[in-house]
Amino acid sequence: DAKTTQPPSMDCAEGRAANLPCNHSTISGNEYVYWYRQIHSQGPQYIIHGLKNNETNEMASLIITEDRKSSTLILPHATLRDTAVYYCIVKEYGNKLVFGAGTILRVKS
Amino acid sequence: DTAVSQTPKYLVTQMGNDKSIKCEQNLGHDTMYWYKQDSKKFLKIMFSYNNKELIINETVPNRFSPKSPDKAHLNLHINSLELGDSAVYFCASSPRQGSREKLFFGSGTQLSVL
Repeated sequence: DAKTTQPPSMDCAEGRAANLPCNHSTISGNEYVYWYRQIHSQGPQYIIHGLKNNETNEMASLIITEDRKSSTLILPHATLRDTAVYYCIVKEYGNKLVFGAGTILRVKS
Repeated sequence: DTAVSQTPKYLVTQMGNDKSIKCEQNLGHDTMYWYKQDSKKFLKIMFSYNNKELIINETVPNRFSPKSPDKAHLNLHINSLELGDSAVYFCASSPRQGSREKLFFGSGTQLSVL
């Protein structure tokens, strides 16, 4: 019952920016967009979240379209250690975090 | 120093046995969770506790019983283990309920039921 659509996999060259798209066309006004990632054999790791405005932290940038129906997670300089499954999740206050299939990002040297 | 720690990391057992997985967080968070990741890699929430009170209980067989002795601990006890219980179980915690919380996950417990 995930509310987002992501490509199953993407490749990115090491040192280049990785742009991971997410479609959430049915997002409601109260729902935030969250991104998590899961590196092989580890627990999921929070990356970033936002509501309307673009957000940036030490890990990534989140660009949300004006109509909020899609977003892009940007890893500005991808490294081999960024190879992981990236999950885009929409969530309203008090609701549970529901993970979809995510996007497998492979960073290649 | 580990924020969310789970034990054991690996658990191999026979069908029909009873086993427990322990989880502890030293982040001072109010809310703790159990997630299950099956062989197809889908992560599904099982339970959530806020300050020792059960707030989310998904459609999980009642063979699974979470116990929260205090807000820093959330253990998972599983009775009469079945083959289908084989999965990776992740514990997580967050500072509070609501849209702004970030979940911090443990490194997982890989349960294999033979």
